[in-house]
Amino acid sequence: EIVLTQSPGTLSLSPGERATLSCRASQSVSSSYLAWYQQKPGQAPRLLIYGASSRATGIPDRFSGSGSGTDFTLTISRLEPEDFAVYYCQQYGSSYSFGQGTKLEIK
Amino acid sequence: QVTLRESGPALVKPTQTLTLTCTFSGFSLSTSGMCVSWIRQPPGKALEWLARIDWDDDKYYSTSLKTRLTISKDTSKNQVVLTMTNMDPVDTATYYCARVPVGAKGTGAFDIWGQGTMVTVSS
Repeated sequence: EIVLTQSPGTLSLSPGERATLSCRASQSVSSSYLAWYQQKPGQAPRLLIYGASSRATGIPDRFSGSGSGTDFTLTISRLEPEDFAVYYCQQYGSSYSFGQGTKLEIK
Repeated sequence: QVTLRESGPALVKPTQTLTLTCTFSGFSLSTSGMCVSWIRQPPGKALEWLARIDWDDDKYYSTSLKTRLTISKDTSKNQVVLTMTNMDPVDTATYYCARVPVGAKGTGAFDIWGQGTMVTVSS
């Protein structure tokens, strides 16, 4: 089973700043089958990024994904108030597994 | 518009069997490349994938829960059913279903989710 480790656990930033979230896999993720989800309190997760770097339908271009192999990054170029949430990475190249999440909170 | 909705009991007793239904619209599970997965999330914790069923009736299960899970579909009713046996308080969680389009034209990721249904296991 591929274990995903997200860092940091909590990220405190202000609106307008740039956010960089990391996801490291215990072994290589095949074909960059890596996704990112956003989850707000009381809501279901929402797909942001798939294939490591492709934005899902309707996702603003301030969200971008990068990486390959075992190291992946989600970048939010300029934080909006609605971006403060919990973010999960997921690999789907070998069964499925999720990271433990990064909480992005307002500083 | 694609929607999914989970339904089932809010409370089950330890050792009982949980049956959850995912009713969806806006897509067909008879379409090549279309799949539905179940995922759960204990309160305050991370997401955990449980099972997936494909358009061709292939089924996949979490290794750790495989012996307790059964997934099935009723294409005519646009429903996917998940059963989990021998429920325990640690199975208390919100259970989600999600659409998973795979293949050349699919993302492979969980692109549309239901709102989730909270299940508490307690005597």
